[in-house]
Amino acid sequence: EADIYQTPRYLVIGTGKKITLECSQTMGHDKMYWYQQDPGMELHLIHYSYGVNSTEKGDLSSESTVSRIRTEHFPLTLESARPSHTSQYLCASSDGEESSYNEQFFGPGTRLTVL
Amino acid sequence: SQQGEEDPQALSIQEGENATMNCSYKTSINNLQWYRQNSGRGLVHLILIRSNEREKHSGRLRVTLDTSKKSSSLLITASRAADTASYFCATDRFSGYALNFGKGTSLLVTP
Repeated sequence: EADIYQTPRYLVIGTGKKITLECSQTMGHDKMYWYQQDPGMELHLIHYSYGVNSTEKGDLSSESTVSRIRTEHFPLTLESARPSHTSQYLCASSDGEESSYNEQFFGPGTRLTVL
Repeated sequence: SQQGEEDPQALSIQEGENATMNCSYKTSINNLQWYRQNSGRGLVHLILIRSNEREKHSGRLRVTLDTSKKSSSLLITASRAADTASYFCATDRFSGYALNFGKGTSLLVTP
């Protein structure tokens, strides 16, 4: 079992609310990622980080923001949630070392519903 | 799709049968990985094959890679009901550490 945690697992909120999805890992990995996945669909990279104070936007345009103040913590924030943000959000990490060939470890996901 | 395309999109078999799913990708890769996702959960890494490898085994899993055709296949032998899940292939990117995932194959194994 990978040591990467996401909270909450499920969240139902109203439009306009500010939310933060938490992601933490205890493996000391430098690299962390956020993916968005609609049911039965592929994963889309929305944010990634290669270390503390390093964050980049991914392939899919997202209105969310991320921060990386500590190695183990990579929260994702939506300032004003909308129904179009309804999706599953998956957090992952990797050590990125050549020996591991960048195997990624995933958290259980947060299923977000915005009414 | 960003990179990989799996087929079939869905596969239904009985316990004990073999399941084969395929993945095609578009650009050159250093390695290709397969992941499993149980319903509503995160992904779990199954196996990685490097671009200079043609075949790899892990337990009941067999992965092949044909870089000339930009395709890979995952074979699960003697399937079990517990193998019911979605299976994704993922390719590395030319630069950076993120992965490109396909749309996945949904496998249903019935007793």
